Amino acid sequence: DAGVTQSPTHLIKTRGQQVTLRCSPISGHKSVSWYQQVLGQGPQFIFQYYEKEERGRGNFPDRFSARQFPNYSSELNVNALLLGDSALYLCASSLGPDTTSYGYTFGSGTRLTVV
Amino acid sequence: AQSVTQLGSHVSVSEGALVLLRCNYSSSVPPYLFWYVQYPNQGLQLLLKYTSAATLVKGINGFEAEFKKSETSFHLTKPSAHMSDAAEYFCAVSASGGGSNYKLTFGKGTLLTVNP
Repeated sequence: DAGVTQSPTHLIKTRGQQVTLRCSPISGHKSVSWYQQVLGQGPQFIFQYYEKEERGRGNFPDRFSARQFPNYSSELNVNALLLGDSALYLCASSLGPDTTSYGYTFGSGTRLTVV
Repeated sequence: AQSVTQLGSHVSVSEGALVLLRCNYSSSVPPYLFWYVQYPNQGLQLLLKYTSAATLVKGINGFEAEFKKSETSFHLTKPSAHMSDAAEYFCAVSASGGGSNYKLTFGKGTLLTVNP
């Protein structure tokens, strides 16, 4: 079985640009969560979507948005990029919405560099 | 609100020695606790989790952790380190219920190096 697939694996953007990151969950998983991992830090929660609805949002500015499609894949959009947005963006999928009844499987991430 | 503190950003051990990675948590509700491992250029892999059953939790690759409520700790141990254990380890906490049991709050991580 394929794991959580994220694309692209790396990209470089210029300050002020917009970026879209993509995530395909494990087949049958209905929940997708996004995390930002800045170099030297632990991952920080950005969003969770379950059954195409936003279930939770972390402490990130409105420049960050996401959505989940009918096939449960997800996109994370970041507008007006800042240098501080440079990070590894991780997607995690699970069968259900909570962290404990269902295991989270993480993808390998998208490395975003803003110059 | 939940948070975790990992004591020691870098731990170095010799191959065959005991591995001890420390994690203390803070939570306003009974917590669920997790340890994840991250190898270079990879995502996070779940090692083990505590979800209010047995306080001693056994995970993959010979790791285990003990939940100690009195000490608010969830330290990760392995009796004998292997070279392949070299990676970054993250402790994470989640609420056991209520409205925020959908997200993980991670510590800053501990980089484990294993010397031959």
